[in-house]
Amino acid sequence: QVHLVQSGAEVKKPGASVKVSCKVSGYTFISYGINWVRQAPGQGLEWMGWISPYNGDTNYEQRLQGRVTMTTDTSTSTAYMELRNLRSDDTAVYYCARGSPNDFWGQGTLVTVSS
Amino acid sequence: EIVLTQSPGTLSLSPGERATLSCRASQSVSSRYLAWYQQKPGQAPRLLIYGSSSRATGIPDRFSGSGSGTDFTLTISRLEPEDFAVYYCQQYGSSPWTFGQGTKVEIK
Repeated sequence: QVHLVQSGAEVKKPGASVKVSCKVSGYTFISYGINWVRQAPGQGLEWMGWISPYNGDTNYEQRLQGRVTMTTDTSTSTAYMELRNLRSDDTAVYYCARGSPNDFWGQGTLVTVSS
Repeated sequence: EIVLTQSPGTLSLSPGERATLSCRASQSVSSRYLAWYQQKPGQAPRLLIYGSSSRATGIPDRFSGSGSGTDFTLTISRLEPEDFAVYYCQQYGSSPWTFGQGTKVEIK
């Protein structure tokens, strides 16, 4: 059974960084890319980027370039998304999702940015 | 960037009725790379349709997708109580992948 389990909620101050983890199980980690998608409160879905656990290739949404880094640890089948220089409008639920299309999703991680 | 525009914003229907949701793209999308998701409050999205018309594993056959080019449609043939939710289309053929803004299907 495929599972993606994310780390817990975070509260950060503006200008800080956050790193969200996504541990997968039930399939071969390197066989599928991992996408990161976020959803601000009451809003729609926003694709943030993608990483290949096979070779580390990444593709980031241009608006987030320079602030986001996606990595993977194949030894623990875990993907990470780090977002730096946080702003209040980064407050959102962050999801990891397997593959394209996104056939399995994590449960979401609420990141709150507030002074 | 391909912009996806969904209509209507809200669809008010009764159980048993047919729902027709539209997703229009600002430029042509390969039908191989158009998906639909369902999201209920407090839950992660769930993949319904991929490749514009293929149902994901476990999705009931009352859900169907169609379309090509710039116009795509999700149809729910007969609404069940559990189908009242928000639906998003997504294109994943041209970077950046993009989502529509969503259509809320609510109980009339």
